[in-house]
Amino acid sequence: DADVTQTPRNRITKTGKRIMLECSQTKGHDRMYWYRQDPGLGLRLIYYSFDVKDINKGEISDGYSVSRQAQAKFSLSLESAIPNQTALYFCATSQQDNTEAFFGQGTRLTVV
Amino acid sequence: QKEVEQDPGPLSVPEGAIVSLNCTYSNSAFQYFMWYRQYSRKGPELLMYTYSSGNKEDGRFTAQVDKSSKYISLFIRDSQPSDSATYLCAIQNTGGFKTIFGAGTRLFVKA
Repeated sequence: DADVTQTPRNRITKTGKRIMLECSQTKGHDRMYWYRQDPGLGLRLIYYSFDVKDINKGEISDGYSVSRQAQAKFSLSLESAIPNQTALYFCATSQQDNTEAFFGQGTRLTVV
Repeated sequence: QKEVEQDPGPLSVPEGAIVSLNCTYSNSAFQYFMWYRQYSRKGPELLMYTYSSGNKEDGRFTAQVDKSSKYISLFIRDSQPSDSATYLCAIQNTGGFKTIFGAGTRLFVKA
């Protein structure tokens, strides 16, 4: 089983719909992250959490929200999806020294 | 100007070639430098990381950092078709509060 699991792997949704992407990890790490990846732009940080009670905005948080339900679970929500949120989304975890991030398999989201 | 610049490629080389992948960055405050490898339809995986300037070698891979010119490199010796992937450089500040990724260079190694 993967250490960082994302669900769903693929999703097509309509403009204006609310959608949630889920991430769970078995690595026991405190730090969790949500990134989006777009061609030519690389990975950009949306939100991050350093422990269960900690939530921080990243570089591109507008239009997104997150919830850290437990140490092992970190979900990303798009309250009202728009087409330019079409991207590949990755969840990641790291230890406190943060020298290595462990990524999930990604969720390919298409907003039509 | 992006904080990390990386040529997106694609870069195509024959099997056995030496590959050089490069990034430049603009903020001298960053102390940690990483290379991630991402296969198609997979998440990135850490390949190598270095602290400050210098070289680090791991098998066929060598990471090189030149802080004076803000230039980081990854060299792959005796490249194999299995090395075909996208390679992302990343820089990180002390404490790990901020990591910035390059856009990635797509590499194809032809058998």
